[in-house]
Amino acid sequence: EVQLVESGGGLVQRGGSLRLSCAASGFSVSSSYMSWVRQAPGKGLDWVSLIYSGGGTYYADSVKGRFTTSRDNLNNMVFLQMNSLRAEDTAVYYCARAELEYIDSWGQGTLVTVSS
Amino acid sequence: SYVLTQPPSVSVAPGQTATITCGGDNIGRKTVHWYQHKAGQAPVLVVYDDKARPSGIPERFSGSNFGNTATLTINRVEAGDEAGYFCQVWDPPLFGGGTELTVL
Repeated sequence: EVQLVESGGGLVQRGGSLRLSCAASGFSVSSSYMSWVRQAPGKGLDWVSLIYSGGGTYYADSVKGRFTTSRDNLNNMVFLQMNSLRAEDTAVYYCARAELEYIDSWGQGTLVTVSS
Repeated sequence: SYVLTQPPSVSVAPGQTATITCGGDNIGRKTVHWYQHKAGQAPVLVVYDDKARPSGIPERFSGSNFGNTATLTINRVEAGDEAGYFCQVWDPPLFGGGTELTVL
């Protein structure tokens, strides 16, 4: 069974940093497209980042240069390093597995709150 | 950049049909996927590749995509269908703004 469990969310000051972790089981992150998707309060889903099976990455314009996604194939984990955090980064962050061009598995999400 | 446009809200009575649209420039040339998202829960894929249904999704959910509009149709709407619905395309990965379905 595919499982994704996020951790690392919390309260951080504007300009600060936070690292989110996603522990995967039931499949190998190295052979999947692993994504981070967020939902700000009262807003829609926002695709934040993607790491392809080949190691390439994609970032939304809103986080480019501030966020970095990576993975640990040995421990089957994915990470999102978030720097220079802004109030508008406040959201629930979901770790997700993309099967081809769509997401077929989601974590339960972790809340990130950036205080101004 | 590419934009996906959804109506903010749709309301329908139980047993009726809900139609949720997703507009985009020549979106019919892209492949569209749909998710259901209830508060406090992880999103659920309800339609992929324009019209395919994942296992476990009722046949009441169907999709189509042509021209500048993709559509998610929910037949015989039930109270449990009340949720946010989001369309999504790839390259780059992008969601629509979401439509809140209210069951009257």
